Amino acid sequence: EVQLVESGGDLVQPGGSLRLSCAASGFTFSNHWMRWVRQTPGKGLEWLATIKTDGSEKNYVDSVKGRFTISRDNAENSLYLQMNSLRAEDTGLYYCARVASSGERYLDFWGQGTLVTVSS
Amino acid sequence: DIVMTQSPLSLPATPGEPASISCRSSQSLLHSNGYKYLDWYLQKPGQSPQILIYLGSNRASGAPDRFSGSGSGTDFTLKISRVEAEDVGIYYCMQSLQAPITFGQGTRLEIK
Repeated sequence: EVQLVESGGDLVQPGGSLRLSCAASGFTFSNHWMRWVRQTPGKGLEWLATIKTDGSEKNYVDSVKGRFTISRDNAENSLYLQMNSLRAEDTGLYYCARVASSGERYLDFWGQGTLVTVSS
Repeated sequence: DIVMTQSPLSLPATPGEPASISCRSSQSLLHSNGYKYLDWYLQKPGQSPQILIYLGSNRASGAPDRFSGSGSGTDFTLKISRVEAEDVGIYYCMQSLQAPITFGQGTRLEIK
């Protein structure tokens, strides 16, 4: 059974940092591109970042470029999102999601999400 | 950026009756490989989004056959042939033709 379990969400002050993790199981993690998507009351679902199977390609939405870093450890079957210089508007529920295939690109499995709250 | 516009944003639906949701993109989602990079997701109350339709018209594994997707390069439709109570939730379209990947605003389906 495919499982994606996010962790690391917390209450953090503006300007602070957090590292989110996503533990993958039930499939060959190294065969799949992965994404982070967040859900906020103001903007709905927002794609944040994508990483290729081997980590050699990454891209980001402009609003997090330079502040967030996506990475992965295929030996540990884990995906990460390092978030720095956090702002109030980064508050939301953060999902990791699996890309079905590089050709089809849709997200076939999502985690349950981890909550990030940025507030003083 | 490709802007995705859904309508309606709220959809009161009657069990057993059909329903449809529209999604328009600000530019064509047709790739040179022939794929239309438009997907539909359903987020049921208290759950994560789940894939329903991918590449415009392909029903995902596990998605009920009352769901169907169609569309051209910029205009797409999700149809529910006969609404059931378990279909309540928020429906999102998403384009993955080019970065940044973008979602529609969501359509909230409720049962009348």
